[in-house]
Amino acid sequence: EAGVTQFPSHSVIEKGQTVTLRCDPISGHDNLYWYRRVMGKEIKFLLHFVKESKQDESGMPNNRFLAERTGGTYSTLKVQPAELEDSGVYFCASSQKGTGVSYEQYFGPGTRLTVT
Amino acid sequence: GESVGLHLPTLSVQEGDNSIINCAYSNSASDYFIWYKQESGKGPQFIIDIRSNMDKRQGQRVTVLLNKTVKHLSLQIAATQPGDSAVYFCAENAWRGYALNFGKGTSLLVTP
Repeated sequence: EAGVTQFPSHSVIEKGQTVTLRCDPISGHDNLYWYRRVMGKEIKFLLHFVKESKQDESGMPNNRFLAERTGGTYSTLKVQPAELEDSGVYFCASSQKGTGVSYEQYFGPGTRLTVT
Repeated sequence: GESVGLHLPTLSVQEGDNSIINCAYSNSASDYFIWYKQESGKGPQFIIDIRSNMDKRQGQRVTVLLNKTVKHLSLQIAATQPGDSAVYFCAENAWRGYALNFGKGTSLLVTP
């Protein structure tokens, strides 16, 4: 079974440009999460989808970040316009359907975003 | 705010020795705790988890201990091997919460 995949693995963009990250969760996983790790800091939660609905977006830093999960399959995270402080590694994770129970979250390899 | 933190940023052990990685948390509502291992170029990989109604759980060569009184979590790795070299993160969330709250990570280096 394929794991969580992310594309691209590395992106270098200039400040002010737009970047779109993609995540393909494990097939059948209703829950999809985005996290990011800024250099030297801990991994921080961004948001959580249940199927195509945003369940929790309390970790989204500001309105320059837009996440979508059309059709409840893959998800995209767009940063527009990118700022220097957005540099870091963006992780996607997925887990099985659950109601009030935490299931193991499987992480993708991450996308390393560098804003210059 | 609530936080999950690690006592040591790096840990160096000799191959064959046991490793202990510690983690403190501050959220008394935390119900579920997980240890992740992250190797270079890869995402965090699940190692072992424990719920707050337990104080110990064992896996293959790994044991997680939970002390709710002092809000402390530890990961013990028996007979540490070179392949165990990685960054280890503890994470937690509260009952009915899905978002994981991660600590900063401890880098484990296994020397021959």
